[in-house]
Amino acid sequence: DQQVKQNSPSLSVQEGRISILNCDYTNSMFDYFLWYKKYPAEGPTFLISISSIKDKNEDGRFTVFLNKSAKHLSLHIVPSQPGDSAVYFCAASGAAGNKLTFGGGTRVLVKP
Amino acid sequence: DAGITQSPRHKVTETGTPVTLRCHQTENHRYMYWYRQDPGHGLRLIHYSYGVKDTDKGEVSDGYSVSRSKTEDFLLTLESATSSQTSVYFCAISTRSTGRGTEAFFGQGTRLTVV
Repeated sequence: DQQVKQNSPSLSVQEGRISILNCDYTNSMFDYFLWYKKYPAEGPTFLISISSIKDKNEDGRFTVFLNKSAKHLSLHIVPSQPGDSAVYFCAASGAAGNKLTFGGGTRVLVKP
Repeated sequence: DAGITQSPRHKVTETGTPVTLRCHQTENHRYMYWYRQDPGHGLRLIHYSYGVKDTDKGEVSDGYSVSRSKTEDFLLTLESATSSQTSVYFCAISTRSTGRGTEAFFGQGTRLTVV
């Protein structure tokens, strides 16, 4: 039973437009949420995080929004650039000790 | 980049053979993790370590064992490899428990194929 779900396996967006990636979770005990970015043949790299006491966190072109009542978070990338083409993983922690629980990933393609 | 080295980067092995993957870090981080990545499943935790000789199971630990005799090295062993263990394996490290929201730094991965 997946506790963290990314229901869109892929997303295609034009350069300069906004990319919106979505993530849903089921465990209300999660209290930190993180986004990782992964290029082919490389390990995931940390992108941005948010604590459950906040509803928004912004870092440059990347903003994460958290809606606790809906158990939903989203990552906005504005403007999207070709270098943003990668797989993005949503992850959550706080419900199971030392464990990070990952979603299945969303592959983003930014077209020039 | 965090100093994490995984070896080997690629390996093909036969069903039933033992396989050991190595993760080496130069960051002196306390926590080390082994994940596997499979299509549709994201990354799933196999085992983790919170100190030398201190390890615990993750969500997909069956068929795997780990050892950590030094801070810098975390070994993952498949005692008798099966085709279901064909996957990409990632090692990760963190200064504090990722259960507290601390980010983890990942190695470049090991692609293992069991034939």
